[in-house]
Amino acid sequence: DAKTTQPTSMDCAEGRAANLPCNHSTISGNEYVYWYRQIHSQGPQYIIHGLKNNETNEMASLIITEDRKSSTLILPHATLRDTAVYYCIVRVAQAEGNEKLTFGTGTRLTIIP
Amino acid sequence: SQTIHQWPATLVQPVGSPLSLECTVEGTSNPNLYWYRQAAGRGLQLLFYSVGIGQISSEVPQNLSASRPQDRQFILSSKKLLLSDSGFYLCAWFGLNYGYTFGSGTRLTVV
Repeated sequence: DAKTTQPTSMDCAEGRAANLPCNHSTISGNEYVYWYRQIHSQGPQYIIHGLKNNETNEMASLIITEDRKSSTLILPHATLRDTAVYYCIVRVAQAEGNEKLTFGTGTRLTIIP
Repeated sequence: SQTIHQWPATLVQPVGSPLSLECTVEGTSNPNLYWYRQAAGRGLQLLFYSVGIGQISSEVPQNLSASRPQDRQFILSSKKLLLSDSGFYLCAWFGLNYGYTFGSGTRLTVV
């Protein structure tokens, strides 16, 4: 089962920042938080990941709370192309990991023109 | 760079027919490989994962099977498809830089 909880859906106005929350209260010390997004009929696409520090890349920023029990993905200037389902997952970073990881239903983000 | 290839993109098969979906990875060796299925409007469900040649772990008892005949090849099969096998099938591998990298998926419709 997924170890994260996310809102089912969210709307955001085009050009505004989209803030997507994720709760992962049972996260272990060696588990990273990963974010992916899935545009209709495509495979999920990597966005960003982090362990404890906030992270930023060309796509988004990831804010992780100090207790690591929740995080927020921030799309700074949302565009219509950001409309997608966003998944938050937690897992260890080692490639040898064989976690029985099932993605949840994610958050369906709709960008409003 | 690492890439993952998955085919076919779409498939329509009659009930009771066999299935073979293939996934290959380039640019990495001994990858952990995964098959996921996504039913309409649902999340991704892990079906099988493999940590090496000939090593398959099944997560959901069902009508499907998987094989890993080569290091970078992962195959999903069925001897007789059911209507409930319809869905979007995704192959993925896990790497240190980006976590999961997914293929483009196969949309299977069983009729």
